[in-house]
This record gives sequence, C-alpha cells and structure tokens, in this order.
Amino acid sequence: NAGVMQNPRHLVRRRGQEARLRCSPMKGHSHVYWYRQLPEEGLKFMVYLQKENIIDESGMPKERFSAEFPKEGPSILRIQQVVRGDSAAYFCASSPRDTNYGYTFGSGTRLTVV
Amino acid sequence: QQQVKQSPQSLIVQKGGISIINCAYENTAFDYFPWYQQFPGKGPALLIAIRPDVSEKKEGRFTISFNKSAKQFSLHIMDSQPGDSATYFCAASLAKTSNTGNQFYFGTGTSLTVIP
Repeated sequence: NAGVMQNPRHLVRRRGQEARLRCSPMKGHSHVYWYRQLPEEGLKFMVYLQKENIIDESGMPKERFSAEFPKEGPSILRIQQVVRGDSAAYFCASSPRDTNYGYTFGSGTRLTVV
Repeated sequence: QQQVKQSPQSLIVQKGGISIINCAYENTAFDYFPWYQQFPGKGPALLIAIRPDVSEKKEGRFTISFNKSAKQFSLHIMDSQPGDSATYFCAASLAKTSNTGNQFYFGTGTSLTVIP
C-alpha cells in the first residue's frame, strides 16, 4: 500500500503562472481532502471531494483556485495566476468513506512562487 | 479566527522527561480530537485521538487528557526520546451530520526538541 501519493514534491512557479498539484489517494479510498499549510501555521482546510463531486469547498479562496477528482486519475488542485502569497505546503488526505476519523495525509507539495 | 489554540509554540525537553502540549477550543460541537505528528518534509501522521466522552486515553508513551468543562485537551509524551523530535498538531472536528463536512481545525503546532 503506497499511501497517499502527491506530486510534485516541490514546485516553483513565477508570478502569474498556473500551478497544478496532483494527489492519488490510498487504494480503496474515494474521499479526498486538500489542506494548505502556511509557514509557522497549522493546516487549513480547503476542499473535500468524492469521485466527480465537490462536497465541501468552504475553505477554498473564491478566485484562482479550483479542484477536481475525476472518475479516473488523481485529484487535481489548480491555482491560476499564482501570487507570492500562494507559497505554502499543500497537503492531500484520503479516507475510505465519509468519515472524519483519522484520514491519511500525503507528504505534500511545497509550492514556491518567485 | 483560530478555532483551536495550541501552546507552547516550541518545547525543549531532556531525554527521559515528560513533554506536555496544550490545546483549547471554543466550539462545543467538536466531537473528535486527534493529535498529529509531523516530521520535516512529511505529511502529518495520526498519533492518537480522543472523543469527549472520556477524560483520558493512553497509547504507549502517549496520553491525551481531556477536560470537557474547561474545553481543553493536552498531549503528554512520557519518557521522551530524541526520535520524538517533531512538530505536533492538535486538531478538532465537528460531529458528522448531513450539513457538516469532514474538515479538521488544526492548532498552529508545537515544535518539540528532545535533547540527549
């Protein structure tokens, strides 16, 4: 069991470019969550998805950010026209069912905007 | 607004000592309180968790103490080891209903260093 796989591990983008972060959940998990961790802060919830559905996007910024979890393939967090304030670690987690009990996190993608 | 407040920000403990990290919350609708351990360059890993119907939970060297009336909970690491050096996050989540999602509210983290 490879766990939750995120790639790339590190991503550098210039201001104004697009960033695409990918997350493959654990085998058998159909629920995916994205969190953002700013330096010296805890993780902040962004979005919760099931296959082909966004369940809760209450933590997503209203502009430039979007997420999807297609029927086939990984979940994608997309950030358009990145700004320096988007620099953070983005973590994905997955769970096998609709539960908040101890889901599993990936190792994260560190996004740096220059 | 920080839903879960964590202290201290950093902690240095001698090997064999007890590490204590504290968290406080306001929302009485929280019903699940996990602690996560994070090593540099890694994602958070679930360490131990508690529900508010018990006042204490112990797993090996790790113990959660929960005070429902004070809305506080703490992590105690007994016989701390250098390998315990990591960042620890407390978290809380709401009781699952059709109107709530599955998000966790995290504290700001405590960087623990255990010196030999």
